[in-house]
Amino acid sequence: EVQLVESGGGLVQPGGSLRLSCAASGFTVSSNYMSWVRQAPGKGLEWVSVIYSGGTTYYADSVKGRFTISRDNSKNTLYLQMNSLRAEDTAVYYCAREAAELGNAFDIWGQGTMVTVSS
Amino acid sequence: SSELTQDPAVSVALGQTVRITCQGDSLRSYYANWYQQKPGQAPVLVIYGKNNRPSGIPDRFSGSSSGNTASLTITGAQAEDEADYYCNSRDSSGNPVVFGGGTKLTVL
Repeated sequence: EVQLVESGGGLVQPGGSLRLSCAASGFTVSSNYMSWVRQAPGKGLEWVSVIYSGGTTYYADSVKGRFTISRDNSKNTLYLQMNSLRAEDTAVYYCAREAAELGNAFDIWGQGTMVTVSS
Repeated sequence: SSELTQDPAVSVALGQTVRITCQGDSLRSYYANWYQQKPGQAPVLVIYGKNNRPSGIPDRFSGSSSGNTASLTITGAQAEDEADYYCNSRDSSGNPVVFGGGTKLTVL
């Protein structure tokens, strides 16, 4: 079965760090464009970061310099290292696959993991 | 970076047709994709590219595009179509990916 399963969310104090994981099954993470998308409570979807199959990475301005996207090919897992967390980073974080054959639409999403930044 | 603009809320009577729009400069170069999100659930892709439906998406969902505006049309809206709908596209002017702000669809 093709699926993504996120983990690693939780409550963290402002200025703290957290690492999110996204385990894939049924396809190969390193062969696809993989993104993190977040959704603050009651708000819309916000793209956060992408890692291309070739390893190039991009970040939204709101997280640039604080977040790092990476992958472990041996574990078929995507990561998001989040440092210097702020209250405005509070959100459900989804990992998602961009399907090249579907015009780079996000065809597979994880169930999401909640990150709460609060003292 | 570019933005995609959606109406915050739209309503439709049961069985009628509704169009949800998405505007932005990136849509002059790239097709929009559309996602349905119900409360507490992850988004689901309903339309991608010019007008394509993933497997399992009812054919009452369709997409179109003109200039800087993309549209998602639901022909014969059902109660289960009540959800938030988001557009997204590639973006050549900044971030590689952009999402619209979302449209809350109410089926009356």
